[in-house]
Amino acid sequence: GESVGLHLPTLSVQEGDNSIINCAYSNSASDYFIWYKQESGKGPQFIIDIRSNMDKRQGQRVTVLLNKTVKHLSLQIAATQPGDSAVYFCAENINTGFQKLVFGTGTRLLVSP
Amino acid sequence: DAGVTQSPTHLIKTRGQQVTLRCSPISGHKSVSWYQQVLGQGPQFIFQYYEKEERGRGNFPDRFSARQFPNYSSELNVNALLLGDSALYLCASSFGGMNTEAFFGQGTRLTVV
Repeated sequence: GESVGLHLPTLSVQEGDNSIINCAYSNSASDYFIWYKQESGKGPQFIIDIRSNMDKRQGQRVTVLLNKTVKHLSLQIAATQPGDSAVYFCAENINTGFQKLVFGTGTRLLVSP
Repeated sequence: DAGVTQSPTHLIKTRGQQVTLRCSPISGHKSVSWYQQVLGQGPQFIFQYYEKEERGRGNFPDRFSARQFPNYSSELNVNALLLGDSALYLCASSFGGMNTEAFFGQGTRLTVV
């Protein structure tokens, strides 16, 4: 498959560790945020979303935290597995009257067995 | 249950040619958005269509056009192809509201030579 991002920030963890991926978003008016996972040669896969009226949302093995004061999102992955290895993007929906997702630069997560 | 499907998966075109990419959204979804992802970057918004109407357009030249059909499928057309149009073209499907989950297809890899 083709590499999604050749010069991305990289987070390397051991299998079983907890991973935290951070993202700074750009627009204080953004009111909806999504985390995506993208494996090589594939489209982005929806992981979890959060609306701006929330600070935290949990899914299966994942938690998203939103700090609107400093325009910061984080994705926490519990008990990281080799299958979690991918590029992770945060996306913000800028309130323009229609859905326009603006993506961050991405972080590559490498999980070693 | 079928996800977002895109065709073709790969395409090679010559500079100056025209290309049409196709997308079928998830059943029940009325909105289709198109994104361009060049290597090493996050996806960039091109268009959103909802109920056959263009809702929003990103910062792309008029060579890029799209339409949505009564069955909610969509086509993206790019005329007068340039080398810089080489990218992964992604289609995202959603119910249509601004703050609703958007699910991506696997993309069409376009190479312009």
